[in-house]
Amino acid sequence: NFMLTQPPSVSESPGKTVTISCTGSSGNIGSNYVQWYQQRPGSAPTTVIYEDNQRPSGVPDRFSGSIDSSSNSASLTISGLKPEDEADYYCLSYDSDTHGVFGGGTKLTVL
Amino acid sequence: EVQLVESGGDLVQPGGSLRLSCAASGFTFSDHFMDWVRQAPGKGLEWVGRIRNKANSYSITYAASVEGRFTISRDDSKKSLSLQMNSLKTEDTAVYYCASGWGQGGTTILVSWGQGTLVTVSS
Repeated sequence: NFMLTQPPSVSESPGKTVTISCTGSSGNIGSNYVQWYQQRPGSAPTTVIYEDNQRPSGVPDRFSGSIDSSSNSASLTISGLKPEDEADYYCLSYDSDTHGVFGGGTKLTVL
Repeated sequence: EVQLVESGGDLVQPGGSLRLSCAASGFTFSDHFMDWVRQAPGKGLEWVGRIRNKANSYSITYAASVEGRFTISRDDSKKSLSLQMNSLKTEDTAVYYCASGWGQGGTTILVSWGQGTLVTVSS
């Protein structure tokens, strides 16, 4: 079964840059688009990146996404960290049968 | 503005049934793929299933964990999405989100989310 692995937690200071990885268990992560979602406590998820590296309107350009085929992984990078960026982040992609697969989530702490 | 509003969450006994609804507005519902995603208390997101649009024959894909027990349907005239849940198990306890997006190679580029509705399966 195709799985996506994320680090359980990351932490960084305000103003710094943090990168969250999302590694595919098999195949080519680049064969389907990867999306990234932010979920603050008690709230529904919101989209911060779609189609690997596209930002919805209203999402600041401090958020960026990328794909590294050599490591079969996707990354979400947040620069100029702000306290309000503290949240859980999830990646989403699909297996060969188009079933959705979420990563386990990464808790970002802005120290 | 895209709005997705779920309803129908409730407390139900194991083995019981429940029907969730999602009312959509602010976008061309009939063009979009629609998915259900759930989140058990204190856990991560889990994809439940998807119904594609008319151009893709309203085809449906389910997660293995719900296949045969859950049924997704849509009514484009009412801009409504439904999730019929039968033979419910305690492990189906979760907040259920409807989400929308456009199709890409049979998958969904999910970009919009509802606020969720809580389903509790317990005796």
